[in-house]
Amino acid sequence: EIVMTQSPATLSVSPGEGVTLSCGASRSVYNNLAWYQQKPGQAPRLLIYGASTRATDIPARFSGSGSGTEFTLTISSLQSEDFAIYYCQQYNNWPRTFGLGTKVEIK
Amino acid sequence: QMQLQESGLGLVKPSQTLSLICTVSGGSVDRGGHYWSWIRQHPEKGLEWLGYIYYTGNTNYNPTFESRLSMSVDRSTNTFSLELTLMTAADTATYYCARSPLGGRTYDSWGQGIQVFVSS
Repeated sequence: EIVMTQSPATLSVSPGEGVTLSCGASRSVYNNLAWYQQKPGQAPRLLIYGASTRATDIPARFSGSGSGTEFTLTISSLQSEDFAIYYCQQYNNWPRTFGLGTKVEIK
Repeated sequence: QMQLQESGLGLVKPSQTLSLICTVSGGSVDRGGHYWSWIRQHPEKGLEWLGYIYYTGNTNYNPTFESRLSMSVDRSTNTFSLELTLMTAADTATYYCARSPLGGRTYDSWGQGIQVFVSS
């Protein structure tokens, strides 16, 4: 199965700052990559699919890029509601696999 | 707006079978192109895809669980179900049901999750 690796494990950021999260795949997944946001006690929410396409109602401050094995999620100006854990997921191969997540916490 | 809701026993004894149901509202399980999945999350850890079922009954399971996993769909009650046999402590997790509108690619609707503990 494809192993998804996310870095860093934790990011400490001040509100208003921008942040970039990284996700790597053990082999190419082309652009078949999604990002999810999860807050405590909630299910994950789809943010990005196709590596760079925002899902419905996702603010423009969220952007994704990359292809092949290296991907990034950028949040341009962190709002209070953005402090959460972010997961990447590949859907190029079965079984679908997720990274272990990056926690974005308030500095 | 589609909503999913997991139900079932939250405490299972080792070696027993976990049975969960996901009730779908605001949409139909027999809508073509939608795949109905189960995903679990270990405490403080990442997400693990277990498998999906299509309304026709076709399934696709994660090979890790294939020998002890079974899914079914009930179009009359608009639900789909999971059974995971031979439960161990390693299966303690939050179990989510989720919808994939794109042929099992991404997951855009999720249940709230049900915590399952495996303990004697």
